[in-house]
Amino acid sequence: KQEVTQIPAALSVPEGENLVLNCSFTDSAIYNLQWFRQDPGKGLTSLLLIQSSQREQTSGRLNASLDKSSGRSTLYIAASQPGDSATYLCAVTGEYGNKLVFGAGTILRVKS
Amino acid sequence: DVKVTQSSRYLVKRTGEKVFLECVQDMDHENMFWYRQDPGLGLRLIYFSYDVKMKEKGDIPEGYSVSREKKERFSLILESASTNQTSMYLCASSLIAGGRDEQYFGPGTRLTVT
Repeated sequence: KQEVTQIPAALSVPEGENLVLNCSFTDSAIYNLQWFRQDPGKGLTSLLLIQSSQREQTSGRLNASLDKSSGRSTLYIAASQPGDSATYLCAVTGEYGNKLVFGAGTILRVKS
Repeated sequence: DVKVTQSSRYLVKRTGEKVFLECVQDMDHENMFWYRQDPGLGLRLIYFSYDVKMKEKGDIPEGYSVSREKKERFSLILESASTNQTSMYLCASSLIAGGRDEQYFGPGTRLTVT
């Protein structure tokens, strides 16, 4: 059974810092890996999707990498801003797609 | 942009009531999903549907049923609501194409059962 772990559980940084969020998964037979952002009391916003054949994806200040063989992904946030404060969730789909398995999330606070 | 909408943002129901949560997507996606999210337990899949009238149980289907009569609409039904079904309910949709299976989520429904 696939398990997804995110480290750290919470992170507090001053504005302007570059930071890395970590995600690991136990079964490397995945279809995609997706990073989401969730603001308190709201739904999930998809940030980046990495297909199993890809190594990384970039969107603005965000860069996500995938090492499928070792079961790891990182989300890099450059020049963090207070507006980046949210919970970040990592999730993987099984080998043929469909069902997402989520990590517990990293709660990020960026202080101004 | 893909849009997934849910019928209510907040809902308060009494124990034993039948509850319907509605979800609509506007991108002709084949797949639709219902999750619940609880503190300390994260997001858990209740049911999903890969086509009209097709459904498959997720990890925690007990106490729930679903209906998908039209491609764009996926309903979650609590036959007899109980207090342990108080939770945030999230709907999502996706289409598997070109090696991508990206799920898009609705805003969520915060359900309280008293």
